[in-house]
Amino acid sequence: QITLKESGPTLVKPTQTLTLTCSFSGFSLSTTGVGVGWIRQPPGKALECLALIYWDDDLRYSPSLRSRLTVTKDTSNNQVVLTMTNMDPVDTATYYCAHIRGGAAFDIWGQGTMVTVSS
Amino acid sequence: DIQMTQSPSSVSASVGDRVTITCRTSQGVSNWFAWYQQKPGKAPRLLIYGASTLQSGVPSRFSGSGSGTDFTLTISSLQPEDFATYYCQQANSFPITFGQGTRLEIK
Repeated sequence: QITLKESGPTLVKPTQTLTLTCSFSGFSLSTTGVGVGWIRQPPGKALECLALIYWDDDLRYSPSLRSRLTVTKDTSNNQVVLTMTNMDPVDTATYYCAHIRGGAAFDIWGQGTMVTVSS
Repeated sequence: DIQMTQSPSSVSASVGDRVTITCRTSQGVSNWFAWYQQKPGKAPRLLIYGASTLQSGVPSRFSGSGSGTDFTLTISSLQPEDFATYYCQQANSFPITFGQGTRLEIK
């Protein structure tokens, strides 16, 4: 059974750096074809895919956020880490990590973690 | 980025009704297309992938169709647990993009 869970701060100040960890079980990020994505959702708004990381270290970042994002994987500990710099109140959102199947759809999601950006 | 135009933005329906939600993409995405259901305070749930393949565990009253730029999600007979927000998503090219959502409400 695949599970994912996000962890990190619930409140960050403007200009600070956000670091979120996705801890997962039930699959390995060293297995061919496997990927994990980060998706966020501002309150009352739609979903936005931030980044994807695959088993072969292929990394895809949202072009609009590329300069602020870093995603790394720790295969031994079954974790993926998202770092977003220079946080702004507009980045207030629920942040999800999700397992991506066949490179095309997010079939298993974490519960999400709400991050508020405020001074 | 591929733009997703989902319609309607909201719809009211009754239990037992047939409901159709559509999504149009700004470029062809072949069948790299999925539909999700989201309930308040919960993570999205994958319903359909590959435009028409039902995800394991999803009731057969949900179906998807389309290819290229025009896609449809149909719920054949609404059940009380189906009242939620539905999102379309393309994965033909990165960035993966989602529609703005369709809120399905009880009439």
